[in-house]
Amino acid sequence: ETGVTQSPTHLIKTRGQQVTLRCSSQSGHNTVSWYQQALGQGPQFIFQYYREEENGRGNFPPRFSGLQFPNYSSELNVNALELDDSALYLCASSLESTETQYFGPGTRLLVL
Amino acid sequence: EDQVTQSPEALRLQEGESSSLNCSYTVSGLRGLFWYRQDPGKGPEFLFTLYSAGEEKEKERLKATLTKKESFLHITAPKPEDSATYLCAVYSGAGSYQLTFGKGTKLSVIP
Repeated sequence: ETGVTQSPTHLIKTRGQQVTLRCSSQSGHNTVSWYQQALGQGPQFIFQYYREEENGRGNFPPRFSGLQFPNYSSELNVNALELDDSALYLCASSLESTETQYFGPGTRLLVL
Repeated sequence: EDQVTQSPEALRLQEGESSSLNCSYTVSGLRGLFWYRQDPGKGPEFLFTLYSAGEEKEKERLKATLTKKESFLHITAPKPEDSATYLCAVYSGAGSYQLTFGKGTKLSVIP
């Protein structure tokens, strides 16, 4: 059984640019959640996608947006990058929206 | 608003020295409490889910317990490979299906 995978593993961008992060959910899972983890902090919920629809959103501005595809993989897009967007971005998948979430290895984003 | 507080922030143990990590939570209605282990630069690894007060779960040297206000992660005779950050999270089911995490406890086990 393949676990959650994310790409790329690392990324360096400059302020004002746009970035797209990708996530493939664990086999059989229809729900993907995205989290942002700053250094020394716990993960913060960005949003969740369930069967291709946004199913909840945390306190993040609209420049954070996402998609879920028919195969349940997902993208996180961030526009107009700011220095504070530098963090580890985590994707988690679950069998259903209310089930245990299993995390991928994360994408480390550095904004200069 | 759901809140999770973990203590201590960091813990150093000698190999074989048992201890406990604490997770205090405030939620409108607990639907689940989760423990994860996170190694540096990696994603959290799922350990346990607890659903109701009095519930206990065990895995190797780890045992998680739950009361109405807090959860404990007991580590018995730890080994150096148990060194990691342990994260606690709650799901209240109020509104969006999000996990609210604490900041974690960084555990170091010294040989």
